[in-house]
Amino acid sequence: GQQLNQSPQSMFIQEGEDVSMNCTSSSIFNTWLWYKQDPGEGPVLLIALYKAGELTSNGRLTAQFGITRKDSFLNISASIPSDVGIYFCAGLEGPTGNQFYFGTGTSLTVIP
Amino acid sequence: EAQVTQNPRYLITVTGKKLTVTCSQNMNHEYMSWYRQDPGLGLRQIYYSMNVEVTDKGDVPEGYKVSRKEKRNFPLILESPSPNQTSLYFCASSSPALNSYEQYFGPGTRLTVT
Repeated sequence: GQQLNQSPQSMFIQEGEDVSMNCTSSSIFNTWLWYKQDPGEGPVLLIALYKAGELTSNGRLTAQFGITRKDSFLNISASIPSDVGIYFCAGLEGPTGNQFYFGTGTSLTVIP
Repeated sequence: EAQVTQNPRYLITVTGKKLTVTCSQNMNHEYMSWYRQDPGLGLRQIYYSMNVEVTDKGDVPEGYKVSRKEKRNFPLILESPSPNQTSLYFCASSSPALNSYEQYFGPGTRLTVT
């Protein structure tokens, strides 16, 4: 089955730094989603993207739907300790696809 | 409160003993899905359902069954569990009818098969 390539696999950063992570696929997707998962919890939706080129923000988080529809990026500005967790991208194949594919995750550690 | 619930949260069982993990959502969502999460592999979709009585295989359906007799419930059935099905399982739901594939996840079920 298809799997999205998510990078980096892990990041250790100082509080206040900006963070960037990305996801690439060999297939075209018509929806990209970004999730955060805390230990022992289910993933929580951060941002949803529905159009190629779309740039969407949610507080300090900004995500973009790549023009080629085969990639997506998530940026976190001015990181804080509660940003710690695992971030996942997810793609929905289009135009009639109903199956989701997830990236392998980026583990983020923020050092106070 | 809008939510997806799963039961049980933790389960230890033995090889071959049939089990069911329940999933229920109170948001009237059409789309429901089951995932398993394993270290280094992220989440992989097992089965999904677009609506009542409509189910489809995801990426890793072998060894699992599902049913969708009611809109709110989507149980995952392991007829004969094996140790390689030891994993963390998540149920999720969303509403494509409202042009939204924003999936909401349950809290997870940690299954150990010995």
